[in-house]
Amino acid sequence: AQKITQTQPGMFVQEKEAVTLDCTYDTSDPSYGLFWYKQPSSGEMIFLIYQGSYDQQNATEGRYSLNFQKARKSANLVISASQLGDSAMYFCAMREANTGTASKLTFGTGTRLQVTL
Amino acid sequence: DTAVSQTPKYLVTQMGNDKSIKCEQNLGHDTMYWYKQDSKKFLKIMFSYNNKELIINETVPNRFSPKSPDKAHLNLHINSLELGDSAVYFCASSRGRAGGYTFGSGTRLTVV
Repeated sequence: AQKITQTQPGMFVQEKEAVTLDCTYDTSDPSYGLFWYKQPSSGEMIFLIYQGSYDQQNATEGRYSLNFQKARKSANLVISASQLGDSAMYFCAMREANTGTASKLTFGTGTRLQVTL
Repeated sequence: DTAVSQTPKYLVTQMGNDKSIKCEQNLGHDTMYWYKQDSKKFLKIMFSYNNKELIINETVPNRFSPKSPDKAHLNLHINSLELGDSAVYFCASSRGRAGGYTFGSGTRLTVV
């Protein structure tokens, strides 16, 4: 079964608009962390935002916020005031606590975001 | 200055050759990883080392052999390269189980 599901292979958004990238996850571990990464065309993986399963409030980092709905097992990324430089692949990922000393990240298939003028 | 550095950035080689990718982190992290990103951009973990000890080996062919001489370095050696090994390989590091992950810039391996 897919642990991380990103159902939007591609999204378009106009500059200065907000956009939501969907992510749902599946785990029976009560302690887990959710991450979003951005991968521009240059290829590097850039960390954007993190949400812990016990965090009471939704995470925010500048123009990025994470809409965490624990009961629905969703962790959508909201980008406000989109910029041309936001055009990239976006990956949702999960770390489960009970995977031994080293906790791996499990990634979704990604969403390609294109910001238009 | 770079937190996680991988070399080389690009690697083009013929089938059957043996090649290595090197990774070094200067963040003081105790855990390092190798991830493979395939042509469809899917990222999957291959190996993880914690303080030089192999912790995760995700059913990767024996032709892939990681080596961690110390906790700041994790190298990946690949024997008898095959066309299907063409991918981008990312090194990453984290501090323990709760720390954030920092990725290297990736090594694009092309097997011809």
